[in-house]
Amino acid sequence: EFVLTQSPATLSLSPGERATLSCRSSQSVSSSLTWYQQKPGQAPRLLIYDASKRAIGIPARFSGSGSGTDFTLTISSLEPEDFAVYYCQQRSNWRVTFGGGTKVEIK
Amino acid sequence: EVQLVESGGGLVQPGGSLRLSCAASGFTFSSHWMTWVRQAPGKGLEWVAHIQQGGNEIHYVDSVRGRFTISRDNAKNSLYLQMNSLRVEDTAMYYCAREGSGWYFDFWGQGTLVTVSS
Repeated sequence: EFVLTQSPATLSLSPGERATLSCRSSQSVSSSLTWYQQKPGQAPRLLIYDASKRAIGIPARFSGSGSGTDFTLTISSLEPEDFAVYYCQQRSNWRVTFGGGTKVEIK
Repeated sequence: EVQLVESGGGLVQPGGSLRLSCAASGFTFSSHWMTWVRQAPGKGLEWVAHIQQGGNEIHYVDSVRGRFTISRDNAKNSLYLQMNSLRVEDTAMYYCAREGSGWYFDFWGQGTLVTVSS
């Protein structure tokens, strides 16, 4: 079974600080790793695809890195609107898996 | 502008059925895989099923296979999810999403809530 493990579960930071979120895969996914942001009461929004490519309209403070089994989403300087839950996702053949999410909350 | 609008959710008793719909606009619907993703209250995202552009290839998560059926009507720009033998654990917000050129979901609807309870 393919598993994506996100850490930490919760990240408590202040606006202006740097956020580093981790996503670890139980099997290599090459670079086919995606990140989404979800705010309360809203649908998820695509942030990063293919591990490091920003989706249209996503600010440059969001960046993704990694390959194989270890991936990172970095928010260089947190803005008030960035406090949300972040999910990683991969697709292997036809099976799609999401990580459990990391909540970025205001400290 | 890409838009995905889900409908058909509601309250149903265990063992009952519901049919969800997703109306798509603003893009060439027949050119994209389409997906259903659900989210139980207070929980994370779970992929449910997806369907290839022409409807010839379909896949399901194990927990719904044999109970749910995904389908599409490219002439009507619509995606469907027929849900039978519903269980309490199927209670969730159900989102339809478009698959982009890679293996990711680039546009999402706002969701429709399905509650399975007696």
